[in-house]
Formats: sequence, structure tokens, C-alpha cells
Amino acid sequence: GDSVTQMEGPVTLSEEAFLTINCTYTATGYPSLFWYVQYPGEGLQLLLKATKADDKGSNKGFEATYRKETTSFHLEKGSVQVSDSAVYFCALNKGYQKVTFGTGTKLQVIP
Amino acid sequence: NAGVTQTPKFQVLKTGQSMTLQCAQDMNHEYMSWYRQDPGMGLRLIHYSVGAGITDQGEVPNGYNVSRSTTEDFPLRLLSAAPSQTSVYFCASREGNGNQPQHFGDGTRLSIL
Repeated sequence: GDSVTQMEGPVTLSEEAFLTINCTYTATGYPSLFWYVQYPGEGLQLLLKATKADDKGSNKGFEATYRKETTSFHLEKGSVQVSDSAVYFCALNKGYQKVTFGTGTKLQVIP
Repeated sequence: NAGVTQTPKFQVLKTGQSMTLQCAQDMNHEYMSWYRQDPGMGLRLIHYSVGAGITDQGEVPNGYNVSRSTTEDFPLRLLSAAPSQTSVYFCASREGNGNQPQHFGDGTRLSIL
């Protein structure tokens, strides 16, 4: 079946550091890929998405590129802020099938 | 546009009690799902539905029932609450098209004593 693998957390960075959270997937067909963010005490919200190979999703300074050749969708941000501290989930959709989530990566940004 | 609305936000139950967690969406989404999230853990899928009258089991369906009589509503029933069901429960919906993201409710924080 389909699966999503994320790097283990927690990830601790100083403010203004560069962020990479790795995400790789295994899936047949042509999934769409997503990053969701969950702030403390809240539900998940969409951060960005890409629906086909080589698409780049971007939002709030975060970016991720759908790489079919490496089955990856790594999340990057050039300069993190304290307000970016949250849990980040990588996920994939295919049609009407159930969504597959990674286990989540907790990011803590220190001033 | 309210999005996905979950009620209640908090609930405390005694072991053996039953209850229904409510979920409603006003986006005419075909696909709805229920997840549980335990402390420090990711999401685990309980049940999902691809349209009114159609439901299926996820990873952890035992102890939970669902039904989908309308597009808008997808209630989750706990049949006989157990302490192991203490968790935060999230409802989500999306269009059936796989290109669209899920929209999540704010969660129900459930404690079973």
C-alpha cells in the first residue's frame, strides 16, 4: 500500500536558520502531495501542495518540490521564525482513496 | 463559511458510557474522515466515507461506529468508552478529487475516566 516517511523529530533550530524536513513516499499511480501544519492546541491546516511531478508548492516562505524520480517532497524554508514552531505533516492523496499521512515532525525554533 | 465544525470541544466520560462526536461541513465535500491523535503521536484513521451512505474502516476502527446519512454530517459514535480511547479526535473533509487538500475541524478533546 501507499506510505509516507518523514524524518524523525524533534528538530530544534535557532531563529533565521535554514529548515529542511525530509519526506519520501511510496505510491502507485499519480498522487497529489501535501504539507500540513499543526500549531499547539489546534487542528491541521494546509501549508502547501503539489499535484504533479516537478510542481513546486509555496506558502509563507515555505517551499516543496514534487520529485517523482526520487519520490520525495522535502519541505524547506530559508529563514525560520519562532512563530514557525509547530508539527509538520507530509501527506498524499489519490482520488477517492483514504489520505496517507506521515508521522509528523515537530519543529522548535529558539530565539 | 464555517468549514468543518466539531462538537463538543471537550468531553469527559466514564468507562462504559457511550457518546456521539458530531462533525458537520458546509462545503459539499464528498469525502469525510475521522482521526485520533494521541499525545506526541501522528494521526490514525478511524473511519472514512466517500459519500452519503458509504463508509469504510481505517486503521483503528474497533470501538467506534459511523454513519453518513447526509453529505454534510459524519458523526462518530463511541459504543462503550474505554480509557484507551482518551485522545484528541479530528474530523476532516475534502472534495473527492484527489488533488484537493483536507479541511480539518478544531478537534474534540475526550477523556475517559
